[in-house]
Amino acid sequence: AQKVTQAQTEISVVEKEDVTLDCVYETRDTTYYLFWYKQPPSGELVFLIRRNSFDEQNEISGRYSWNFQKSTSSFNFTITASQVVDSAVYFCALSNYGQNFVFGPGTRLSVLP
Amino acid sequence: GVTQSPTHLIKTRGQQVTLRCSSQSGHNTVSWYQQALGQGPQFIFQYYREEENGRGNFPPRFSGLQFPNDSSELNVNALELDDSALYLCASSLAGRATNHEQFFGPGTRLTVL
Repeated sequence: AQKVTQAQTEISVVEKEDVTLDCVYETRDTTYYLFWYKQPPSGELVFLIRRNSFDEQNEISGRYSWNFQKSTSSFNFTITASQVVDSAVYFCALSNYGQNFVFGPGTRLSVLP
Repeated sequence: GVTQSPTHLIKTRGQQVTLRCSSQSGHNTVSWYQQALGQGPQFIFQYYREEENGRGNFPPRFSGLQFPNDSSELNVNALELDDSALYLCASSLAGRATNHEQFFGPGTRLTVL
């Protein structure tokens, strides 16, 4: 069975602080895909990144960076110099190539001015 | 983008409901998710070329339709109180897979009294 755990339910930081959101996954598949989505207060999920299981390179996109480590089954997300607009619920998700897409419970990030 | 209607809906237990979604133009796959308050989205099912292509752990009273014109429906029969949730539609070019970036609509908030 596939499972995604996001142990941090809520995080509060002050603007300009760096913050890391943790994601740990479980799967028996050798081919799988990991995602991060952002859900702002408006409710619409916004795609941030997709990573396949064969690509362990870290990725940086502006203030966002992702660290994928198969050895620990983790796919962590770091926001550098956080801004108030980063306040949202962030979901990590896991998919195999079949018909199963599993979201974690989410981490609510509050960035205070 | 992906649109959903209605925005909000109130039903009573035992009734039936139909939620509608218009996929992003050109996308061949639509998925539906149920998101209870404070939780991550739960995969209901996916449709590809008007056929159900995968299903999560939801009973048969949850059913769907996909039409050739990029629109789709989620039908829920015999509503229960626990069906109260935000229902999200997502479209993609995934085909029979679930590993593609999905574009989400704003959701329909269903309340069952």
